Amino acid sequence: DIQMTQSPSSLSASVGDRVTITCQASQDISNYLNWYQQKPGKAPKLLIYDASNLETGVPSRFSGSGSGTDFTFTISSLQPEDIATYYCQQYDNLPDTFGQGTKLEIK
Amino acid sequence: QVQLQESGPGLVKPSQTLSLTCTVSGGSISSGSYYWSWIRQPAGKGLEWIGRIYTSGSTNYNPSLKSRVTISVDTSKNQFSLKLSSVTAADTAVYYCARGREDGSYYFDYWGQGTLVTVSS
Repeated sequence: DIQMTQSPSSLSASVGDRVTITCQASQDISNYLNWYQQKPGKAPKLLIYDASNLETGVPSRFSGSGSGTDFTFTISSLQPEDIATYYCQQYDNLPDTFGQGTKLEIK
Repeated sequence: QVQLQESGPGLVKPSQTLSLTCTVSGGSISSGSYYWSWIRQPAGKGLEWIGRIYTSGSTNYNPSLKSRVTISVDTSKNQFSLKLSSVTAADTAVYYCARGREDGSYYFDYWGQGTLVTVSS
């Protein structure tokens, strides 16, 4: 299985801050990487697919980049409603695997 | 708007079989370039992909669970189902069904709300 390692595991930031989360794959996955947001008690929600494509309806403050083994997810200006856990997911090889998650809190 | 809804027992005894159904509304399960997946999440932990099915009946399973998992589809009812046999406490989790979109990219664009299944005697 391809291992996905996210960092940090948790993050505290202030409203308006730029927030960056990284995801590293254990092998080259090209751009076959998605990002999801999960709020407490809710199902995950797709934000970014294919590393850098913004899902329809998702605010433009969210963005993604990277290819190969190293990927970055960015919130350009943190909003209170962005408090959630964020997961990366690779689909280059089955089984699909997810990162362990990054819990984002407001400072 | 597509909606997915999981249903099934919330409590299963150890060694028994966990059975869940996902009902899809707002669109035909057979239309479009989609596949249908099960994903689970133990309390306070991350997401684990269980497997997927296409409406052709083709399936893929997580090797870690493959010997115990069966996913099936009933297109007449717009449903797909999960069976996980010989469950233990380690199978206690929130189980999600999700639609996978396959259009050159692969991603889960719609999810059910999730259903908690507890394995306990």
